[in-house]
Amino acid sequence: GESVGLHLPTLSVQEGDNSIINCAYSNSASDYFIWYKQESGKGPQFIIDIRSNMDKRQGQRVTVLLNKTVKHLSLQIAATQPGDSAVYFCAENGEGGGNKLTFGTGTQLKVEL
Amino acid sequence: GAGVSQSPSNKVTEKGKDVELRCDPISGHTALYWYRQSLGQGLEFLIYFQGNSAPDKSGLPSDRFSAERTGGSVSTLTIQRTQQEDSAVYLCASSWTSGRSYNEQFFGPGTRLTVL
Repeated sequence: GESVGLHLPTLSVQEGDNSIINCAYSNSASDYFIWYKQESGKGPQFIIDIRSNMDKRQGQRVTVLLNKTVKHLSLQIAATQPGDSAVYFCAENGEGGGNKLTFGTGTQLKVEL
Repeated sequence: GAGVSQSPSNKVTEKGKDVELRCDPISGHTALYWYRQSLGQGLEFLIYFQGNSAPDKSGLPSDRFSAERTGGSVSTLTIQRTQQEDSAVYLCASSWTSGRSYNEQFFGPGTRLTVL
């Protein structure tokens, strides 16, 4: 079936460096892609989303890039801080649109001081 | 304002027992979702409710799983005759609406279920 997956299970970065987390998706019918941050013991927290008719969207210290040609999604975090340490998930809303989300397996981001 | 709340936060049960997990969505949100997250894994969609429409149950893994949403607000996820493979964190989310348009989902803290 359709799936969303991540290239790297764990990413370690130095504080202050930029982080890039990647995601591959396979459902070309998805019209929204979302990044979530999940800290230990908490539910996922929305970071940023991007619509399929865009290729880039920026937020505060975060940028999401969408490459529909190769079905690739990335999250860039600028000046990574210790508070950014968490598991990051990408998600897509799949065939039929709406809010029924398919999540990737997650990338653990570790920020080293 | 209050976010999505779930209870209990932790539940330990014996194999074969039934369990009920509760979700209180954000007031006014018409859509409510249940997901399951196994250790070290992403979220697996289980079921969602949208207003008074029939729920989308396509993600429920077996007929031991069921969910209700009373009065368009609180939801209960019931797992009958629990098995060890049911051990996971069960997450609830709500949003303003669902349907064709995407709307941001707000997640609760989850219920950690352990089946011994």
